[in-house]
Amino acid sequence: GAGVSQSPRYKVAKRGQDVALRCDPISGHVSLFWYQQALGQGPEFLTYFQNEAQLDKSGLPSDRFFAERPEGSVSTLKIQRTQQEDSAVYLCASSLRQADGYTFGSGTRLTVV
Amino acid sequence: SQKIEQNSEALNIQEGKTATLTCNYTNYSPAYLQWYRQDPGRGPVFLLLIRENEKEKRKERLKVTFDTTLKQSLFHITASQPADSATYLCALENPGGYNKLIFGAGTRLAVHP
Repeated sequence: GAGVSQSPRYKVAKRGQDVALRCDPISGHVSLFWYQQALGQGPEFLTYFQNEAQLDKSGLPSDRFFAERPEGSVSTLKIQRTQQEDSAVYLCASSLRQADGYTFGSGTRLTVV
Repeated sequence: SQKIEQNSEALNIQEGKTATLTCNYTNYSPAYLQWYRQDPGRGPVFLLLIRENEKEKRKERLKVTFDTTLKQSLFHITASQPADSATYLCALENPGGYNKLIFGAGTRLAVHP
């Protein structure tokens, strides 16, 4: 596709529920990043994939967070046993070359009630 | 760890004037720095990248400077328009070999007619 697509756009989860957030990057983009953005803050790094390999997951807040990109294209961020502090916008970005910057999706706004 | 400071207060300017936004950082100097624009409910959009050996870069009405001695980047929008109103994010390369970025909290710009 022409851009990075994320779904769903909005997700309301009850505390304790598991959620899965999907990211469709730009075709051919090797690098894929997940970021978390709290209201009024900049995006914070969660994890990075180069093709199907997860090379950096240092930003994942806890072992309840899990990401995968099994075929090197679509990626899923899964949050188990959601808690209120997980409420945020989750942004996915893909990149081909450093000089072109990141292309971000519109994000998934997760609200845990 | 790297710390990025952007003006937390909104910048209000009159249409036609030049807007100047500041990004200061501590610790190491990154190999490059990027600026993004973010509109409400949308993901950030890449604007410009400037490398450590470049003092200045321009793109249409945008100009970015990078002073590695002061550890500061300035982002200018000349002949500003109401459509330029958005939040502008500064992002620094985090050494690691795969274009990982650390974002500032952003500065909100409001251009008034």
